[in-house]
Amino acid sequence: KAGVTQTPRYLIKTRGQQVTLSCSPISGHRSVSWYQQTPGQGLQFLFEYFSETQRNKGNFPGRFSGRQFSNSRSEMNVSTLELGDSALYLCASSLAGLAGGYSLYFGPGTRLLVL
Amino acid sequence: GNSVTQMEGPVTLSEEAFLTINCTYTATGYPSLFWYVQYPGEGLQLLLKATKADDKGSNKGFEATYRKETTSFHLEKGSVQVSDSAVYFCALPARNTGFQKLVFGTGTRLLVSP
Repeated sequence: KAGVTQTPRYLIKTRGQQVTLSCSPISGHRSVSWYQQTPGQGLQFLFEYFSETQRNKGNFPGRFSGRQFSNSRSEMNVSTLELGDSALYLCASSLAGLAGGYSLYFGPGTRLLVL
Repeated sequence: GNSVTQMEGPVTLSEEAFLTINCTYTATGYPSLFWYVQYPGEGLQLLLKATKADDKGSNKGFEATYRKETTSFHLEKGSVQVSDSAVYFCALPARNTGFQKLVFGTGTRLLVSP
């Protein structure tokens, strides 16, 4: 079974631009989560989607948004990029339904550099 | 909410040495506990997990036992290899509900030399 895929793998943007990252979960997984990883803050939760609904959101500004499609694929968007948005963005999928089941399977990440 | 603390790194070992990476947690109830590993330039991989107290998770020679008495989930391996060099993260659910949100430790870098 194919793993979680993320595109693109690398991105270079300039301040003020916006960016869209894409994630395809493992087949059959309906939950998709996004995390930001930086050397200073470590792994921080952005949001989680299940059946096209955002169930949970981390403590990030409104410039960070996401969505999930009916095929469970997900995108996240960052508008008005700032230098501090440079990070590795990780997508994870899970079989979890409302009853839980917390094993997350991560993709390779998208490394975003903001200049 | 739940939280996790893991030992600072880096941990530097010679090949075939014994490995322990400490992880302690604070949680309401007995949530599942996880170890993830991140190799250079890659995302996180689920290494092992334990779903209830006294469970032992194991994979690829790594083991961790869910100890509720000491609120710990230490990662161990009897004989490390150079290929084990990576960053290891301890994690647990942020809350004991259906939310798919994990809280991660700061990560411990393991360096294994030949």
